[in-house]
Amino acid sequence: EVQLVESGGGLVQPGGSLRLSCAASGFTFSSYWMSWVRQAPGKGLEWVANIKQDGSEKYYVDSVKGRFTISRDNAKNSLYLQMNSLRAEDTAVYYCARVIVVVEMHDYYMDVWGKGTTVTVSS
Amino acid sequence: SYELTQPLSVSVALGQTARITCGGNNIGSKNVHWYQQKPGQAPVLVIYRDSNRPSGIPERFSGSNSGNTATLTISRAQAGDEADYYCQVWDSSTAMVFGGGTKLTVL
Repeated sequence: EVQLVESGGGLVQPGGSLRLSCAASGFTFSSYWMSWVRQAPGKGLEWVANIKQDGSEKYYVDSVKGRFTISRDNAKNSLYLQMNSLRAEDTAVYYCARVIVVVEMHDYYMDVWGKGTTVTVSS
Repeated sequence: SYELTQPLSVSVALGQTARITCGGNNIGSKNVHWYQQKPGQAPVLVIYRDSNRPSGIPERFSGSNSGNTATLTISRAQAGDEADYYCQVWDSSTAMVFGGGTKLTVL
């Protein structure tokens, strides 16, 4: 069974740091782009970051550039999101998702999602 | 930056057809994907590349895309279809973009 399981969420003070993890199973992790997507309480989905199969390309939404870092360890079938200088507006459920990419078609979408981990930034 | 516009809410009578729109500048030239999210659950892909259904998604779900509007159509709506629905595209300037989401209510 294809599965993504996020962990690492919690309560953190503004300005603090947190590292999210996503454990993948049931598919060849190293063959796929991966994403983090977040959802603030009562709000819609917001894409956060993407990473290529070998980690050589990374993309971020403007609001997290310079503060968040996406990374992966293909030997451990794991995806990570290092979040620094956290703000109240980063409070959200963070989802890990597998990405289907067809570069020549300019086509990127998520076909498998984890259940999410909750990050709360508050003093 | 590229923006996608969805109605906040759509209502449909049980057994009837619901249509949820997603507006964007020349969206017909892009690949549009749709996700269903039920309360407290993760999103689920229901339509990819405008009109394709992943395995396990009922044939009642279909999609189209032309001009400035993409549409998710749910035929013979069931109570279990009540959810939030999001459209998504990839744009060269904005990367992955989601619409604001539409809450579907089945009456």
